[in-house]
Amino acid sequence: DIQMTQSPSSLSASVGDRVTITCRASQNINNYLNWYQQKPGKAPKVLISVASNLQGGVPPRFSGSGSGTDFTLTISNLQPEDSAIYYCQQSLSSRWTFGQGTRVEIK
Amino acid sequence: QVHLVESGGGVVQPGRSLRLSCEASGFTFSTNGMHWVRQAPGKGLEWLAVISYDGSSQYYADSVKGRFTISRDNSKNTVYLQMNSLRGDDTAVYYCAKYGSGRMMDSWGQGVLVTVSS
Repeated sequence: DIQMTQSPSSLSASVGDRVTITCRASQNINNYLNWYQQKPGKAPKVLISVASNLQGGVPPRFSGSGSGTDFTLTISNLQPEDSAIYYCQQSLSSRWTFGQGTRVEIK
Repeated sequence: QVHLVESGGGVVQPGRSLRLSCEASGFTFSTNGMHWVRQAPGKGLEWLAVISYDGSSQYYADSVKGRFTISRDNSKNTVYLQMNSLRGDDTAVYYCAKYGSGRMMDSWGQGVLVTVSS
């Protein structure tokens, strides 16, 4: 199976900061990389698909980049409502896998 | 508007079985693959299984292969997860999710809690 590794596992930043989360795949996944946001007690919500495609209704302060094995989720101008856990997920193989998650806290 | 509603969760003893259901509405169910994902208490997301739009293909995570079976009934707009030989580490919230274009899970249910305990 393709393993997904996120870093950091958690971070704390201030409102207005720029935040970067990285995700590394154990093998080349082209651009089959999605990012999800999960808030406490809620189901995950997809933010970005195929590495950089922002989903409808997602604020443009969220962006994704990367290809191959290394990917990045960037939140520019961090807002209080961005406090959540973020997961990357590969969809190249028939058996999808998630990263372990990154908790983003607001200082 | 896509709506996914899971049901069938509860408390079950180790070694027993349980079947989860996920009823879909708001889209053409018979043209979309469906996934099951779970989340143990305080843990991350774990992909479990996927089934193709017509039920002809299924894939499973190693952790559940041979114990869990995903199936669907397109006449009822419902996907199922049959869970056998349940263990304590199967305790989790179980989500169904719609396979969206762009190879992502674009809609999720609210989740259903399964607790495996004697």
